[in-house]
Amino acid sequence: QKEVEQDPGPLSVPEGAIVSLNCTYSNSAFQYFMWYRQYSRKGPELLMYTYSSGNKEDGRFTAQVDKSSKYISLFIRDSQPSDSATYLCAMSVTNAGKSTFGDGTTLTVKP
Amino acid sequence: GAVVSQHPSWVICKSGTSVKIECRSLDFQATTMFWYRQFPKQSLMLMATSNEGSKATYEQGVEKDKFLINHASLTLSTLTVTSAHPEDSSFYICSAVALQGAEDTQYFGPGTRLTVL
Repeated sequence: QKEVEQDPGPLSVPEGAIVSLNCTYSNSAFQYFMWYRQYSRKGPELLMYTYSSGNKEDGRFTAQVDKSSKYISLFIRDSQPSDSATYLCAMSVTNAGKSTFGDGTTLTVKP
Repeated sequence: GAVVSQHPSWVICKSGTSVKIECRSLDFQATTMFWYRQFPKQSLMLMATSNEGSKATYEQGVEKDKFLINHASLTLSTLTVTSAHPEDSSFYICSAVALQGAEDTQYFGPGTRLTVL
């Protein structure tokens, strides 16, 4: 069993929809939780970074971490075609330490 | 945000040759860099942790004699794929850790696509 499981895609939504992306994990030592966006043939770009449980909001993006359930989510409000990409969750035990990634969810936002 | 570059962005080589990939932190010093490999439609798999001035730490299953890592300065780490074979064809991505106090951040390079013929 993988340490990090990410909801498989692909996911296709109309422009303006609310998107929910989710990951579960098994390693209770994970303390730092990240969401990355990756465009085709590019390196990952950090979107959200959360320490421990709680919510964090940045513009149209909201990250939620529930350590008791070992479950994290990324919500995208008012989704735009430019949000179309692969989204990767990642977790680490230490701050900016080696990260374990989910397999990614490919999102397509249709105009 | 901080910038990490990789060179080359893509490379094609013959089987049996060696390929060197550079990872540079352009506007910050990084004592720690990570090397990842990503196969098509799969996630990033950590290969090794590169620490400036010391030997790299490899993940289980990664051959250290095949994937040579050198972190000779605070802004440069190199990954050399020795005697490359077609199964080594992949997208290699590095990241560098920018020390920012409570919010140390890992910044990723744009990746290097290696194709071994």
